[in-house]
Amino acid sequence: RKEVEQDPGPFNVPEGATVAFNCTYSNSASQSFFWYRQDCRKEPKLLMSVYSSGNEDGRFTAQLNRASQYISLLIRDSKLSDSATYLCVVNGGSQGNLIFGKGTKLSVKP
Amino acid sequence: NAGVTQTPKFQVLKTGQSMTLQCAQDMNHNSMYWYRQDPGMGLRLIYYSASEGTTDKGEVPNGYNVSRLNKREFSLRLESAAPSQTSVYFCASSEVWGSKETQYFGPGTRLLVL
Repeated sequence: RKEVEQDPGPFNVPEGATVAFNCTYSNSASQSFFWYRQDCRKEPKLLMSVYSSGNEDGRFTAQLNRASQYISLLIRDSKLSDSATYLCVVNGGSQGNLIFGKGTKLSVKP
Repeated sequence: NAGVTQTPKFQVLKTGQSMTLQCAQDMNHNSMYWYRQDPGMGLRLIYYSASEGTTDKGEVPNGYNVSRLNKREFSLRLESAAPSQTSVYFCASSEVWGSKETQYFGPGTRLLVL
């Protein structure tokens, strides 16, 4: 099992749609979880951390299921500006470093 | 604050040439990192510096060396570039090395090795 796995997409959705991304991780000892956003030809930027109880930031909701080693990101009322690649990130590499998933590409269409 | 800056933005090298990628951060962060990103691959850690004066190998260190020049600066050197090192290189920093870290990335260096 790869350390962090994501559906690569692309997810093509109309404006206003709700879209969900999933991610699984292999290291049961992982303690920190994040979603990063990466625009085309740009650097990754932190979108939100993921907490055990789940957390929300505006239109974005993140959930964590430690038993299933599963993380999700829900985007409601999609905007054109949400088009990007979303990276699932988990700590727990061999040096305690962050492990990045390959990303899920989202394209929001008018 | 400029955050994390990288130079150059683009570079074309011939096989066997050497070059140094520069990275600086003005956030007074202790930890700094070098990653490479290839199509269809996640970001992979090349080297990191948990604190000033220390450096350690990451997942893919072969063919690279690093120098933590001071708290602000962390450089990556390719001694003899190979086509397999064609990639986008990102430098990042975080306040501390630990499980709660948030990393801040520079804009990247696009490197093509012919």
